[in-house]
Amino acid sequence: GAGVSQSPSNKVTEKGKDVELRCDPISGHTALYWYRQSLGQGLEFLIYFQGNSAPDKSGLPSDRFSAERTGGSVSTLTIQRTQQEDSAVYLCASSLPVNTEAFFGQGTRLTVV
Amino acid sequence: GEDVEQSLFLSVREGDSSVINCTYTDSSSTYLYWYKQEPGAGLQLLTYIFSNMDMKQDQRLTVLLNKKDKHLSLRIADTQTGDSAIYFCAESDGSARQLTFGSGTQLTVLP
Repeated sequence: GAGVSQSPSNKVTEKGKDVELRCDPISGHTALYWYRQSLGQGLEFLIYFQGNSAPDKSGLPSDRFSAERTGGSVSTLTIQRTQQEDSAVYLCASSLPVNTEAFFGQGTRLTVV
Repeated sequence: GEDVEQSLFLSVREGDSSVINCTYTDSSSTYLYWYKQEPGAGLQLLTYIFSNMDMKQDQRLTVLLNKKDKHLSLRIADTQTGDSAIYFCAESDGSARQLTFGSGTQLTVLP
């Protein structure tokens, strides 16, 4: 596609439920990032994928968070047993191997009630 | 670890220049970026600068980098109401790892 696509754009879930957020990066971009933006906060790095290398998971806030990237393209961020503090906008970005420009998707607004 | 700091708010009159400032701590920063986020939208890359440059100009945007002081600024000339948004400063060390973002500066352009 022309840009980074994320789905759903909005998700409301009950506390304790699991959610999956999807990111479809720009074709040919081997680097993929997940960030979280909480209300009034900056962007918090979550996880980074680069090609076939082991992902950098250093930003995941707890073991309830996990992410996969299948076939070096689409990525899924999974949050298990959601908590209210997980409410945020989850942003995905992709870039070419040398990190000059990271292109962001529109984000998924997650609300845990 | 790396840290990027920005002031939270800036208000200017339409037609004036806006200057958004950013400081960072990572001396190995190779790329420094400015992103714009409009309400309800994702982040849009405005411009970036390599650490071996001290200035970059792109139409109404001027980026100044003081590497000694680890200070980055974005100047928007002839600010318009459409420039109202949150502006994020970000840095990376160029190793294709994560970007480190500031908390964003909310720019409000008053008519």
